[in-house]
Amino acid sequence: AQSVTQLGSHVSVSEGALVLLRCNYSSSVPPYLFWYVQYPNQGLQLLLKYTSAATLVKGINGFEAEFKKSETSFHLTKPSAHMSDAAEYFCAAVNTGGFKTIFGAGTRLFVKA
Amino acid sequence: NAGVTQTPKFQVLKTGQSMTLQCAQDMNHEYMSWYRQDPGMGLRLIHYSVGAGITDQGEVPNGYNVSRSTTEDFPLRLLSAAPSQTSVYFCASSPDRGSGDTQYFGPGTRLTVL
Repeated sequence: AQSVTQLGSHVSVSEGALVLLRCNYSSSVPPYLFWYVQYPNQGLQLLLKYTSAATLVKGINGFEAEFKKSETSFHLTKPSAHMSDAAEYFCAAVNTGGFKTIFGAGTRLFVKA
Repeated sequence: NAGVTQTPKFQVLKTGQSMTLQCAQDMNHEYMSWYRQDPGMGLRLIHYSVGAGITDQGEVPNGYNVSRSTTEDFPLRLLSAAPSQTSVYFCASSPDRGSGDTQYFGPGTRLTVL
Protein backbone atom coordinates (compact mmCIF):
# COMPACT_ATOMS: atom_id res chain seq x y z
CA ALA A 1 0.00 0.00 0.00
CA GLN A 2 1.05 3.56 -0.60
CA SER A 3 2.77 5.26 2.33
CA VAL A 4 4.45 8.59 2.93
CA THR A 5 7.27 9.01 5.44
CA GLN A 6 8.45 12.36 6.76
CA LEU A 7 11.79 12.16 8.54
CA GLY A 8 11.80 14.25 11.68
CA SER A 9 8.66 15.27 13.52
CA HIS A 10 10.37 18.52 14.56
CA VAL A 11 12.99 20.60 12.73
CA SER A 12 14.55 23.72 14.19
CA VAL A 13 16.54 26.26 12.12
CA SER A 14 17.84 29.76 12.67
CA GLU A 15 16.36 32.66 10.77
CA GLY A 16 18.21 32.96 7.45
CA ALA A 17 19.35 29.33 7.44
CA LEU A 18 18.47 26.66 4.90
CA VAL A 19 15.24 24.78 5.47
CA LEU A 20 15.20 21.09 4.47
CA LEU A 21 12.16 18.93 5.20
CA ARG A 22 12.36 15.33 4.06
CA CYS A 23 9.67 13.21 2.46
CA ASN A 24 9.84 9.71 0.99
CA TYR A 25 7.03 7.77 -0.61
CA SER A 26 6.55 4.10 -1.27
CA SER A 27 4.93 3.27 -4.54
CA SER A 28 5.96 1.21 -7.53
CA VAL A 29 4.56 3.89 -9.83
CA PRO A 30 5.48 7.52 -9.07
CA PRO A 31 2.43 9.20 -7.60
CA TYR A 32 1.35 12.79 -7.62
CA LEU A 33 3.06 14.50 -4.68
CA PHE A 34 2.14 17.54 -2.63
CA TRP A 35 3.46 19.69 0.17
CA TYR A 36 0.90 21.44 2.35
CA VAL A 37 1.47 23.91 5.19
CA GLN A 38 -0.68 24.33 8.28
CA TYR A 39 -0.45 27.44 10.44
CA PRO A 40 -1.78 27.21 14.01
CA ASN A 41 -5.53 26.68 14.27
CA GLN A 42 -5.99 26.76 10.51
CA GLY A 43 -6.65 24.32 7.70
CA LEU A 44 -3.99 23.18 5.25
CA GLN A 45 -2.83 25.25 2.29
CA LEU A 46 -0.99 23.99 -0.78
CA LEU A 47 2.68 24.96 -1.02
CA LEU A 48 3.50 23.09 -4.22
CA LYS A 49 2.77 19.91 -6.15
CA TYR A 50 4.43 17.49 -8.53
CA THR A 51 2.25 16.05 -11.27
CA SER A 52 4.85 14.45 -13.59
CA ALA A 53 5.93 17.60 -15.38
CA ALA A 54 9.18 19.27 -14.23
CA THR A 55 11.01 17.43 -11.44
CA LEU A 56 11.97 20.68 -9.70
CA VAL A 57 8.82 22.34 -8.52
CA LYS A 58 8.61 25.89 -7.23
CA GLY A 59 5.90 26.89 -4.80
CA ILE A 60 4.74 29.83 -2.79
CA ASN A 61 6.78 31.75 -0.21
CA GLY A 62 10.12 30.76 -1.77
CA PHE A 63 9.76 27.02 -1.21
CA GLU A 64 10.70 24.41 -3.77
CA ALA A 65 10.89 20.63 -3.94
CA GLU A 66 12.67 18.16 -6.18
CA PHE A 67 11.17 14.86 -7.24
CA LYS A 68 13.79 12.11 -7.37
CA LYS A 69 12.41 8.85 -8.67
CA SER A 70 15.57 6.86 -7.93
CA GLU A 71 15.39 7.87 -4.27
CA THR A 72 11.55 7.91 -4.05
CA SER A 73 11.91 11.31 -2.45
CA PHE A 74 10.27 14.72 -2.62
CA HIS A 75 12.18 16.89 -0.16
CA LEU A 76 11.10 20.48 0.52
CA THR A 77 13.68 23.27 0.70
CA LYS A 78 13.90 27.01 1.19
CA PRO A 79 17.26 28.81 0.99
CA SER A 80 16.62 31.25 3.84
CA ALA A 81 14.15 30.68 6.67
CA HIS A 82 11.90 33.46 7.89
CA MET A 83 10.10 33.63 11.21
CA SER A 84 6.79 33.46 9.35
CA ASP A 85 7.73 29.97 8.04
CA ALA A 86 7.14 28.46 11.48
CA ALA A 87 4.30 26.00 10.91
CA GLU A 88 3.59 22.33 10.37
CA TYR A 89 4.35 20.87 6.96
CA PHE A 90 2.73 17.82 5.44
CA CYS A 91 3.86 15.75 2.49
CA ALA A 92 1.09 13.89 0.67
CA ALA A 93 0.76 11.45 -2.22
CA VAL A 94 -2.03 10.16 -4.40
CA ASN A 95 -1.69 7.45 -7.00
CA THR A 96 -2.29 8.55 -10.57
CA GLY A 97 -5.90 7.82 -11.36
CA GLY A 98 -6.72 7.36 -7.69
CA PHE A 99 -8.80 9.40 -5.30
CA LYS A 100 -7.25 8.65 -1.92
CA THR A 101 -4.62 11.04 -0.65
CA ILE A 102 -2.13 9.64 1.85
CA PHE A 103 -0.50 12.15 4.19
CA GLY A 104 2.75 11.89 6.08
CA ALA A 105 2.75 12.44 9.83
CA GLY A 106 3.92 16.03 9.46
CA THR A 107 7.03 18.00 10.41
CA ARG A 108 6.80 20.99 12.69
CA LEU A 109 9.27 23.70 11.71
CA PHE A 110 10.60 26.04 14.37
CA VAL A 111 12.51 29.17 13.34
CA LYS A 112 14.83 30.77 15.92
CA ALA A 113 15.65 34.46 15.87
CA ASN B 1 -16.21 32.96 -2.59
CA ALA B 2 -16.33 31.65 0.97
CA GLY B 3 -14.36 28.56 -0.09
CA VAL B 4 -14.83 25.55 2.19
CA THR B 5 -16.79 26.22 5.36
CA GLN B 6 -17.24 23.92 8.34
CA THR B 7 -19.57 24.09 11.31
CA PRO B 8 -19.32 23.93 14.23
CA LYS B 9 -15.77 25.07 15.07
CA PHE B 10 -15.82 23.29 18.43
CA GLN B 11 -18.00 20.53 19.85
CA VAL B 12 -18.07 18.48 23.02
CA LEU B 13 -20.06 15.25 23.04
CA LYS B 14 -20.73 12.53 25.55
CA THR B 15 -20.02 8.92 24.67
CA GLY B 16 -22.90 7.47 22.68
CA GLN B 17 -24.27 10.75 21.39
CA SER B 18 -24.63 11.33 17.66
CA MET B 19 -23.98 14.46 15.68
CA THR B 20 -23.38 15.81 12.21
CA LEU B 21 -20.40 17.88 11.16
CA GLN B 22 -21.33 20.20 8.34
CA CYS B 23 -19.17 20.98 5.31
CA ALA B 24 -20.06 23.20 2.37
CA GLN B 25 -18.15 24.61 -0.60
CA ASP B 26 -19.19 27.26 -3.10
CA MET B 27 -16.58 26.52 -5.78
CA ASN B 28 -18.62 23.90 -7.67
CA HIS B 29 -16.00 21.26 -6.88
CA GLU B 30 -16.72 17.65 -7.77
CA TYR B 31 -14.44 16.01 -5.24
CA MET B 32 -14.94 16.37 -1.47
CA SER B 33 -13.37 14.52 1.41
CA TRP B 34 -13.24 14.26 5.18
CA TYR B 35 -10.06 13.80 7.20
CA ARG B 36 -9.24 13.49 10.85
CA GLN B 37 -6.02 14.90 12.25
CA ASP B 38 -4.42 13.33 15.30
CA PRO B 39 -1.03 14.25 16.82
CA GLY B 40 1.84 12.40 15.17
CA MET B 41 -0.41 10.74 12.61
CA GLY B 42 -0.95 13.42 10.01
CA LEU B 43 -4.31 13.46 8.28
CA ARG B 44 -6.22 10.25 7.63
CA LEU B 45 -8.97 9.98 5.07
CA ILE B 46 -12.36 9.01 6.48
CA HIS B 47 -14.69 9.19 3.46
CA TYR B 48 -14.67 10.89 0.11
CA SER B 49 -17.04 11.71 -2.72
CA VAL B 50 -16.35 12.15 -6.42
CA GLY B 51 -19.69 13.78 -7.13
CA ALA B 52 -23.28 14.11 -5.95
CA GLY B 53 -24.67 10.71 -5.04
CA ILE B 54 -21.27 8.98 -5.05
CA THR B 55 -19.30 8.27 -1.87
CA ASP B 56 -16.62 5.81 -0.84
CA GLN B 57 -14.59 4.82 2.19
CA GLY B 58 -11.14 6.05 3.06
CA GLU B 59 -8.60 4.66 5.53
CA VAL B 60 -10.63 5.04 8.75
CA PRO B 61 -14.37 4.92 7.93
CA ASN B 62 -15.66 2.98 10.93
CA GLY B 63 -18.09 4.93 13.09
CA TYR B 64 -18.76 7.57 10.43
CA ASN B 65 -21.38 7.97 7.71
CA VAL B 66 -21.54 10.38 4.80
CA SER B 67 -23.92 11.30 2.04
CA ARG B 68 -23.69 13.72 -0.90
CA SER B 69 -27.08 14.86 -2.10
CA THR B 70 -25.80 18.12 -3.61
CA THR B 71 -22.51 19.27 -5.12
CA GLU B 72 -22.12 21.87 -2.37
CA ASP B 73 -22.65 19.87 0.83
CA PHE B 74 -20.89 16.86 2.32
CA PRO B 75 -21.94 16.25 5.94
CA LEU B 76 -20.16 13.76 8.19
CA ARG B 77 -22.26 11.87 10.73
CA LEU B 78 -20.98 10.31 13.90
CA LEU B 79 -23.41 7.54 14.73
CA SER B 80 -22.47 6.84 18.35
CA ALA B 81 -19.55 8.95 19.52
CA ALA B 82 -16.60 7.29 21.25
CA PRO B 83 -13.59 8.87 23.01
CA SER B 84 -11.39 7.50 20.18
CA GLN B 85 -13.16 9.93 17.86
CA THR B 86 -11.75 12.92 19.74
CA SER B 87 -9.86 14.69 16.97
CA VAL B 88 -9.75 17.65 14.64
CA TYR B 89 -11.82 17.08 11.52
CA PHE B 90 -11.10 18.73 8.19
CA CYS B 91 -13.24 18.84 5.11
CA ALA B 92 -11.59 19.45 1.73
CA SER B 93 -12.66 19.85 -1.88
CA SER B 94 -10.96 19.87 -5.26
CA PRO B 95 -12.12 20.95 -8.69
CA ASP B 96 -12.19 17.67 -10.53
CA ARG B 97 -11.85 13.97 -10.00
CA GLY B 98 -8.29 14.15 -11.27
CA SER B 99 -5.83 12.98 -8.67
CA GLY B 100 -3.37 15.79 -9.42
CA ASP B 101 -5.78 18.44 -8.23
CA THR B 102 -5.06 20.71 -5.29
CA GLN B 103 -7.33 20.17 -2.31
CA TYR B 104 -8.81 23.21 -0.56
CA PHE B 105 -9.31 22.73 3.15
CA GLY B 106 -11.86 24.14 5.57
CA PRO B 107 -10.81 25.60 8.95
CA GLY B 108 -11.60 22.42 10.86
CA THR B 109 -13.90 21.23 13.66
CA ARG B 110 -12.34 20.36 16.99
CA LEU B 111 -14.33 17.52 18.55
CA THR B 112 -13.98 16.20 22.09
CA VAL B 113 -15.82 13.07 23.17
CA LEU B 114 -16.04 12.55 26.94
